[in-house]
Amino acid sequence: AQSVTQPDIHITVSEGASLELRCNYSYGATPYLFWYVQSPGQGLQLLLKYFSGDTLVQGIKGFEAEFKRSQSSFNLRKPSVHWSDAAEYFCAVPFSGGYNKLIFGAGTRLAVHP
Amino acid sequence: KAGVTQTPRYLIKTRGQQVTLSCSPISGHRSVSWYQQTPGQGLQFLFEYFSETQRNKGNFPGRFSGRQFSNSRSEMNVSTLELGDSALYLCASSLAIGTSGRRLVETQYFGPGTRLLVL
Repeated sequence: AQSVTQPDIHITVSEGASLELRCNYSYGATPYLFWYVQSPGQGLQLLLKYFSGDTLVQGIKGFEAEFKRSQSSFNLRKPSVHWSDAAEYFCAVPFSGGYNKLIFGAGTRLAVHP
Repeated sequence: KAGVTQTPRYLIKTRGQQVTLSCSPISGHRSVSWYQQTPGQGLQFLFEYFSETQRNKGNFPGRFSGRQFSNSRSEMNVSTLELGDSALYLCASSLAIGTSGRRLVETQYFGPGTRLLVL
């Protein structure tokens, strides 16, 4: 069965530092992978997605993610974090038996120190 | 292009009541999915509607239902509310360019959510 694991519940970084949020997935075939961000009291905003092709995917707000099939990972990275990046980040994969049924990880809450 | 809109944004109900939430997808999008978000269970899929038909369903009791109208707008209803139904309910839309016979994974765009509090 499909599943997504985000091992880090909370991460704190200093403004200007680099960031890597981990995501591991379990998926029977070539996965489709998504990263969403949620600011407090808001809905989910799509950061980036991987459907196929280049394993390094660029997204909005300076984020990128790398798909590594051998490690079943799709980690999200940003070279220099801004205070406005403080939010909760979710990795997701679609349920293979459905069309638009996403399975989400538990999320990683990012805090940014000035 | 306007994004996904959800109404109302906030709602307070008491146990036993019922509630109806509304979602208007992005113009041209034909698929609408609903998710429940709680601190304990995280984000969980409720159901998906395409062309006025439910084509995917999550593992929720029958008290949770939905429908989709010909203009792709969707509503979800929760009857006999329980305290545990307090959550953020998120709606997402996607283009749904495939036919019903082809299973396509598409990008879903989420609305701001409706926060439901059951007292």
